[in-house]
Amino acid sequence: GAGVSQSPSNKVTEKGKDVELRCDPISGHTALYWYRQSLGQGLEFLIYFQGNSAPDKSGLPSDRFSAERTGGSVSTLTIQRTQQEDSAVYLCASSLGGQGSQYFGPGTRLLVL
Amino acid sequence: DAKTTQPTSMDCAEGRAANLPCNHSTISGNEYVYWYRQIHSQGPQYIIHGLKNNETNEMASLIITEDRKSSTLILPHATLRDTAVYYCIVRVAWGTDKLIFGTGTRLQVFP
Repeated sequence: GAGVSQSPSNKVTEKGKDVELRCDPISGHTALYWYRQSLGQGLEFLIYFQGNSAPDKSGLPSDRFSAERTGGSVSTLTIQRTQQEDSAVYLCASSLGGQGSQYFGPGTRLLVL
Repeated sequence: DAKTTQPTSMDCAEGRAANLPCNHSTISGNEYVYWYRQIHSQGPQYIIHGLKNNETNEMASLIITEDRKSSTLILPHATLRDTAVYYCIVRVAWGTDKLIFGTGTRLQVFP
């Protein structure tokens, strides 16, 4: 079956602009996660959704970052007033609620100039 | 989630078994051992997980010591495509908590 998909694959933006990153999880997966990976750094958790609710937002680095999920499926991560330090690969993962194995998408490579 | 310790890097000849160790001495009784890998420029890929019994699937085998304080991921016949960073993570399986990635082991498979 289809895996997790993310769009766009690559995004180049200017400092101060807003960007939206999209994630389509595996069909039927109720849990959805956003992570990011900066150049040469490890993966860091951003936010977790169970259905449309986000019980854990502890990884969002600032109030410029927000995310929503609608219909228990697609999720959008929005970064407002982008900064150069936001440049990273943003990864989305999904899992069946309670089973724990997370399946990752290919990521969106964001470059803020 | 318990902290894990892995070697920074390892080499393996193509066709040989790659044995990747992981120490998790503070693991709790309800925590599983998960392995993921990340091939360059791709998202992490789930490999295998286990609680206390050894596990095997089409990708790898997982050997967990009796005291559960360490484990070894075994790739029985490594190929060049297995070159990646391998992450050992411990967490409860039934929860939907975030994965906490350490620095992992960079496995280089050479011809």
